[in-house]
Amino acid sequence: QKEVEQDPGPLSVPEGAIVSLNCTYSNSAFQYFMWYRQYSRKGPELLMYTYSSGNKEDGRFTAQVDKSSKYISLFIRDSQPSDSATYLCAMSRGGKLIFGQGTELSVKP
Amino acid sequence: GAVVSQHPSRVICKSGTSVKIECRSLDFQATTMFWYRQFPKKSLMLMATSNEGSKATYEQGVEKDKFLINHASLTLSTLTVTSAHPEDSSFYICSAREGGGLDQPQHFGDGTRLSIL
Repeated sequence: QKEVEQDPGPLSVPEGAIVSLNCTYSNSAFQYFMWYRQYSRKGPELLMYTYSSGNKEDGRFTAQVDKSSKYISLFIRDSQPSDSATYLCAMSRGGKLIFGQGTELSVKP
Repeated sequence: GAVVSQHPSRVICKSGTSVKIECRSLDFQATTMFWYRQFPKKSLMLMATSNEGSKATYEQGVEKDKFLINHASLTLSTLTVTSAHPEDSSFYICSAREGGGLDQPQHFGDGTRLSIL
């Protein structure tokens, strides 16, 4: 079993839809959680960085952490074609990042 | 802020050539930088952790004599793929950790696509 599980998709939604991306993890020692966005042939870009359980909002993006269920989510409101990318969840352990497989998202105009 | 620059973005070279990739943190100092490899439609695989002024720490299965890492300053780490062969063709990405805490976020460069003919 992988430490971090993420559905690879692909996920296709119409423009304006609310997108929900999720990851589960098995190691309760993880305390820091991140979401990265990666466009094709580019490096990952940090979107959200959270520590505790609960919600964190930044513009159209909301990160949610539920440590009791070992489940994290990223919500994208009013999705745009420019949001089409691969979204990677990541968790920190001993200074190293453990990544999910990434979910490929396509937002259709 | 927190910009990481990686150079070159694309390399095509013959088998047996050594290739050097540079990773720079442009607006912050990075005691620790990381080197990853990514295969198509796969997640990032950590190759090594680079610490300024000391030897790099390699992940299991990564040949340290094949992938030479130097982190001579707080803003520059280099990865040299020595005597590259076609199986070394991949997308190599560096990152730099912001701040001193182990769990501070990493910021990534835009990667180097290496093709060995």
